[in-house]
Amino acid sequence: QITLKESGPTLVKPTQTLTLTCTFSGFSLSTSGVGVGWIRQPPGKALEWLALIYWDDDKRYSPSLKSRLTITKDTSKNQVVLTMTNMDPVDTATYYCAHTLLGAGNYYVPFDPWGQGTLVTVSS
Amino acid sequence: IQLTQSPSSLSASVGDRVTITCRASQGISSYLAWYQQKPGKAPKLLIYAASTLQSGVPSRFSGSGSGTDFTLTISSLQPEDFATYYCQQLNSYPPGFTFGGGTKVEIK
Repeated sequence: QITLKESGPTLVKPTQTLTLTCTFSGFSLSTSGVGVGWIRQPPGKALEWLALIYWDDDKRYSPSLKSRLTITKDTSKNQVVLTMTNMDPVDTATYYCAHTLLGAGNYYVPFDPWGQGTLVTVSS
Repeated sequence: IQLTQSPSSLSASVGDRVTITCRASQGISSYLAWYQQKPGKAPKLLIYAASTLQSGVPSRFSGSGSGTDFTLTISSLQPEDFATYYCQQLNSYPPGFTFGGGTKVEIK
């Protein structure tokens, strides 16, 4: 059974850097094809894909947020870390991590399952 | 690639047939997924590759389409289906794996 859980601060101040950790079980990020992605959802709004990382350390970022995001993995700890710099109140959202796969022919498999999410509020 | 869902919300009764549309700003072949999200919960994958039902998802859910126009259909709405539904394109990177704006299905 695959499970993921997000952790990190619930409150950050504007201009600070956010660091979120996704701790997972039931799969290994050293297995070919496996990936973990991050998605966020502002209160009452739609989902927004942020970043993902694959088993081979291939990283993908949302073009609109690329300059602010860094995704890394620690295979030994079964963790993926997302950092977002220069936080702003508009970045207030629930942040999710999710499991994914890269299929044959570079087929991007949808996110499944997802973690429960963690709400991050940006306020002074 | 932009995804436009319609309607943004709808009211329906138990037993109704419900159809939600997702339109892509450019062709994405069949690289489209549908998710269901209930209040306070994480999204759940329902359909991938436009029409393939994820394991464990009831057969009243179905998806169709290719290119730019896609639909999610619930053949007979059940009480547990009242939720918000999102489409997501996974055609290519860049630009990335964008989501639609969501469709909230409410009880009439």
